[in-house]
Amino acid sequence: EIVLTQSPGTLSLSPGERATLSCRASQSVSSSYLAWYQQKPGQAPRLLIYGASSRATGIPDRFSGSESGTDFTLTISSLEPEDFAVYHCHQYGDSPPTFGQGTKVEIK
Amino acid sequence: EVQLVESGGVVVQPGGSLRLSCAASGFTFDDYSMQWVRQVPGKGLEWVALISWDGSSTYYADSVKGRFTVSRDNSKNSLYLQMNSLTTEDTALYYCAKEAVAWQWLFHLDYWGRGTLVTVSS
Repeated sequence: EIVLTQSPGTLSLSPGERATLSCRASQSVSSSYLAWYQQKPGQAPRLLIYGASSRATGIPDRFSGSESGTDFTLTISSLEPEDFAVYHCHQYGDSPPTFGQGTKVEIK
Repeated sequence: EVQLVESGGVVVQPGGSLRLSCAASGFTFDDYSMQWVRQVPGKGLEWVALISWDGSSTYYADSVKGRFTVSRDNSKNSLYLQMNSLTTEDTALYYCAKEAVAWQWLFHLDYWGRGTLVTVSS
């Protein structure tokens, strides 16, 4: 199975700063089938990005995804107060689908 | 508005059984494959099972294969997870989630329920 390794585990930033989250796959992800989800305490995950770089419906354009080989990046261009949360990556190109362990973006 | 509401989570003893349900609304349920994903509180997400839109195909994580069974009743817009031979390792919040692409399976998940907590403890 494809193992996804997210880094860093925790990112401490201030509102207005740029956040760069990494998700590294242990092997190639078929068809760039990688998604990113945001999860706030006590809430279900929310789809942000799919297909490595396509924004889901209603997601602000400060969220962007990119890919370079087996490295995937979620970038939040300027953090808003509501963006402080845990972010999960998810590959669905190969069975079984797998998730990373999550990156927490916290207020510095 | 898409809604997924899970139910059935309780405290159960090791070796016990449990059936989770997920009531779906706001979309054409029988057009979409569905998944169960679980999360130990404070930890990452773990895929559990998938069922195709028509129920003809099912897939399981190795950790639950042979113990869990996913099913659906399209006439009731409902998804189920029958869980047998439960162990403490199965303690988690169980989410049902809708796949984003109709008449396909193994895609990203565009809607999730709020989850139902299963605790396996003696």
